[in-house]
This record gives sequence, structure tokens and C-alpha cells, in this order.
Amino acid sequence: GESVGLHLPTLSVQEGDNSIINCAYSNSASDYFIWYKQESGKGPQFIIDIRSNMDKRQGQRVTVLLNKTVKHLSLQIAATQPGDSAVYFCAENTYSSASKIIFGSGTRLSIRP
Amino acid sequence: NAGVTQTPKFQVLKTGQSMTLQCAQDMNHEYMSWYRQDPGMGLRLIHYSVGAGITDQGEVPNGYNVSRSTTEDFPLRLLSAAPSQTSVYFCASSYGAGGQYEQYFGPGTRLTVT
Repeated sequence: GESVGLHLPTLSVQEGDNSIINCAYSNSASDYFIWYKQESGKGPQFIIDIRSNMDKRQGQRVTVLLNKTVKHLSLQIAATQPGDSAVYFCAENTYSSASKIIFGSGTRLSIRP
Repeated sequence: NAGVTQTPKFQVLKTGQSMTLQCAQDMNHEYMSWYRQDPGMGLRLIHYSVGAGITDQGEVPNGYNVSRSTTEDFPLRLLSAAPSQTSVYFCASSYGAGGQYEQYFGPGTRLTVT
């Protein structure tokens, strides 16, 4: 069935280094992908999205890469800061089922000083 | 704008009790949804609404009811609470169908059923 998963449940990164969070998806029909950040005790917050007609999208310090051939999504965070500590979720959606979004289980990013 | 607000923040129920989780948004969004988040897991969709008067089931609807009488409010009712409903509940809203647009999430309601 459809599923969205993450390669690593936890990721520890040195402050100032770049972080890469990976995500695999199984539904080849998915055409919209989103990354959310969830800080402790808060609701998820939108970071960046990408549609299936793109391979790469950049935001402020974040880049999302989409590889449809291997059904892989990644989030790159440049110059990781203590405020980036959070759980990061990828999510997928298909236009034909636009109301139903599938979330992955999340990766916890911790920052070493 | 207050964004998406949820009340209460915390709630403890006994098995069999009923309650309503409140959700409101002031962004005039048509689409609203409810999710539950269990420890170490992602969010799972309970119910959603594409506009006032229109609701539909998500992935895990059993044991929950919703209604949407206004654009602003989308309450979630637990009919007869069970320990399996212990979770953190998030309400979200978006301009369009939740899967294809950025969703704005509330701060969550942490529910414990004993």
C-alpha cells in the first residue's frame, strides 16, 4: 500500500554543518511533497514543498530534492543552527486524492554545539 | 491573525466519557482537518472538511464525529472515549484541499484516556 518512510529516525549534526534528511515514498502517483518541522510541544510547521514536475526547490537555507526514478525525497538544511532542532516529517499527496495527505514517521534532528 | 486555535490544551478522560475538542481558524480557509499523532509516529488523518456543511472521513475515523456549521469552526467529538484514543490531536486548515496546499496547524490537544 501507500507509505512514506524515513531512512533514519534520528540525526545528530554539528552546529554549522549541513543536514540532510532523507525520505522514501512508495506511491509513484504522488505528485506533491511537503516537508514539515515540528518543535517540541508544537504543531507541525510548513517548511517547503515541491511538485513532481520539479527536481529541486530552494528556500531560505533549505533545499528539497526529488528523485522520482527511485522515489526519494531529501531535505537539505544549510549551516544548521540550534533552532533547527526538531522532528522533520515528509508527506506526500496525489492530486486525485487531494484531501488526503500521508505523513512519514519523522526524523529527529539534534544539533551538537 | 490568531491562526489556528485549539482548546483545551490538555484533557484527561475516563473510558466511556465523551467530549468535544474545539478548533477555530481566522484565515477564512475552506479546508480544515483533524489529525492524531501517536508517539514516534507521523500524523494520521481522522476527518476533514472542504467547506461549511461538508465533511468526510480520513484514515482513522472510527470513534470520532465532526461537523462544520461555519467556515471558522471544526469541532471533533469523541463519542465514548477509549484508551486507544490517547494521543495528541492537531487541527489544521488550508486555502485549498489539504494535500495540495500548505497547511497551518494548531498547537494541539494532548488527550489521555484512563
